[in-house]
Amino acid sequence: DTAVSQTPKYLVTQMGNDKSIKCEQNLGHDTMYWYKQDSKKFLKIMFSYNNKELIINETVPNRFSPKSPDKAHLNLHINSLELGDSAVYFCASSQDPRGGGAFFGQGTRLTVV
Amino acid sequence: GESVGLHLPTLSVQEGDNSIINCAYSNSASDYFIWYKQESGKGPQFIIDIRSNMDKRQGQRVTVLLNKTVKHLSLQIAATQPGDSAVYFCAETPGNQGGKLIFGQGTELSVKP
Repeated sequence: DTAVSQTPKYLVTQMGNDKSIKCEQNLGHDTMYWYKQDSKKFLKIMFSYNNKELIINETVPNRFSPKSPDKAHLNLHINSLELGDSAVYFCASSQDPRGGGAFFGQGTRLTVV
Repeated sequence: GESVGLHLPTLSVQEGDNSIINCAYSNSASDYFIWYKQESGKGPQFIIDIRSNMDKRQGQRVTVLLNKTVKHLSLQIAATQPGDSAVYFCAETPGNQGGKLIFGQGTELSVKP
């Protein structure tokens, strides 16, 4: 059983398109996150939700909109994709809202061409 | 600004040797620290954590040391194996920032058979 699963694993799209990445966790955790990993492998938090409520928004452009229909899901929608959005996006979840012991998904490699 | 830096971006060791991966952090408010392992094509995987009221914690073949005086964290891997080859990240959680993990740059560990 996959604890944190995100789809798709790979996403190639043209500039200007709108795309979504889905994430689901079956761990019963209350807190979910989106992280972005750039080409130099630097990981940076984008958003966190605790029980469907936005807790952290790290000054991400408003083209990025997270949506949490329930506490087991946190989807990421990106409008008007730009070349600089190319990265690996990781979903994560934790029981501790302070992030301790967060479990990560396998990542979605987004390539904008 | 906040930063969690690593002294060595790459580390190459012989199988069976001990490995030490270092990390410096700058946020004095951080009170919880985690080491993650990321294998190629996968998400970060929790290895071990430590709270600021401790200076050492041991797991299976891994030990984390925390020196709050100089804001330094290290991960020691005993009897390093080829399966330990990966990128290792330290992460800190500032106590006053809602649970976000601030990741370091990452150190790539390569184990030679």
